Amino acid sequence: NAGVTQTPKFRILKIGQSMTLQCAQDMNHNYMYWYRQDPGMGLKLIYYSVGAGITDKGEVPNGYNVSRSTTEDFPLRLELAAPSQTSVYFCASRQGPGRSPYNEQFFGPGTRLTVL
Amino acid sequence: DAKTTQPPSMDCAEGRAANLPCNHSTISGNEYVYWYRQIHSQGPQYIIHGLKNNETNEMASLIITEDRKSSTLILPHATLRDTAVYYCIGPLSGSARQLTFGSGTQLTVLP
Repeated sequence: NAGVTQTPKFRILKIGQSMTLQCAQDMNHNYMYWYRQDPGMGLKLIYYSVGAGITDKGEVPNGYNVSRSTTEDFPLRLELAAPSQTSVYFCASRQGPGRSPYNEQFFGPGTRLTVL
Repeated sequence: DAKTTQPPSMDCAEGRAANLPCNHSTISGNEYVYWYRQIHSQGPQYIIHGLKNNETNEMASLIITEDRKSSTLILPHATLRDTAVYYCIGPLSGSARQLTFGSGTQLTVLP
């Protein structure tokens, strides 16, 4: 299994440009997440999804959009990029609640985005 | 508001045990405490979780106090590669949909 993969690894955007950060997982996980991490800070949840066709806002959703058309993919869209969106973006997935009370959340390697 | 409290930083000598504390005084019922770590620039990695009994796996041990209001993550023989930010997360029910990451503890293992 490749686990959670993210593309691109690095990107520089100009203010006002748009882009899509790609995230895919091959573990058949139901739950997927997008976090951002600013320098020296903890991770903040942007959006999450508990299954195909279902998405919900996290702590910092403004300026972002997501979709979940398949179990495997969970792209994050940035519209009208701003310098405040300069950050490292992590995608994560986990199976979701089941018979086991908890299951591990797996993270991708991150996308480092700079908006100038 | 953060539901866990951790010291911002700790040092540990290589080969010694690293003991990372966490306070979670609002824990109740069937809520768990989870530990993740983040090595510089990488995505966080799951370490261990616990409800009320002490837990051990190949990475670490988790000691939970009898009143469950605090816990300690123990890395028995710390190596330089254990230098990372350690996040204590929770308390959360087993069916919780989200993990909320605070600031964590920066553990530096010194040679």
